[in-house]
Amino acid sequence: AQTVTQSQPEMSVQEAETVTLSCTYDTSENNYYLFWYKQPPSRQMILVIRQEAYKQQNATENRFSVNFQKAAKSFSLKISDSQLGDTAMYFCAFRPSYNTDKLIFGTGTRLQVFP
Amino acid sequence: DAGITQSPRHKVTETGTPVTLRCHQTENHRYMYWYRQDPGHGLRLIHYSYGVKDTDKGEVSDGYSVSRSKTEDFLLTLESATSSQTSVYFCAIRGEWGTGPLNTEAFFGQGTRLTVV
Repeated sequence: AQTVTQSQPEMSVQEAETVTLSCTYDTSENNYYLFWYKQPPSRQMILVIRQEAYKQQNATENRFSVNFQKAAKSFSLKISDSQLGDTAMYFCAFRPSYNTDKLIFGTGTRLQVFP
Repeated sequence: DAGITQSPRHKVTETGTPVTLRCHQTENHRYMYWYRQDPGHGLRLIHYSYGVKDTDKGEVSDGYSVSRSKTEDFLLTLESATSSQTSVYFCAIRGEWGTGPLNTEAFFGQGTRLTVV
């Protein structure tokens, strides 16, 4: 089965510090997409960052970056200079191959940023 | 914001009653999804659609049916609601898969909180 595992149910970080959220996935395919979504208390799902598996370069979006290790099937999210507004649930997700329409999510990591 | 609306936003219903949730989009996107979100489970795919009258099952489809008679509407029906279907339901849409960034992103509705008593 194609799965996404987020092994950290909860994380906390002090404002302005850096935090890394982990994600691993399982697929036998070579081409796929990976995503991190943020869900603040408003319940809105917001795309944070995406990564195409065929790209070796790690994606970055301002304070957000990923460490994509294809061989290890690992896709961690690093948040630099954490802000209070980063407090949210973070979901890792992936489309297992180019031949599927499915988008599969992990169980989420609840991140709390403290002042 | 992506043009996606879920209705109702909140609903309380009794066990055994039928319930229909509606997802409406104004983006003319081909793909639409229904997920449920439960603590400890993240978002789990119920059903999805890749076009009008083209639907397929997700990982937790038992007890649910869907219909898509128009591009803009994707309906999720609980034929006979059970307490285990108490959850927050999310609809998502996206365009064609492709290499462009806009084509890979799924946009989500605000969610529907359904309580079955």
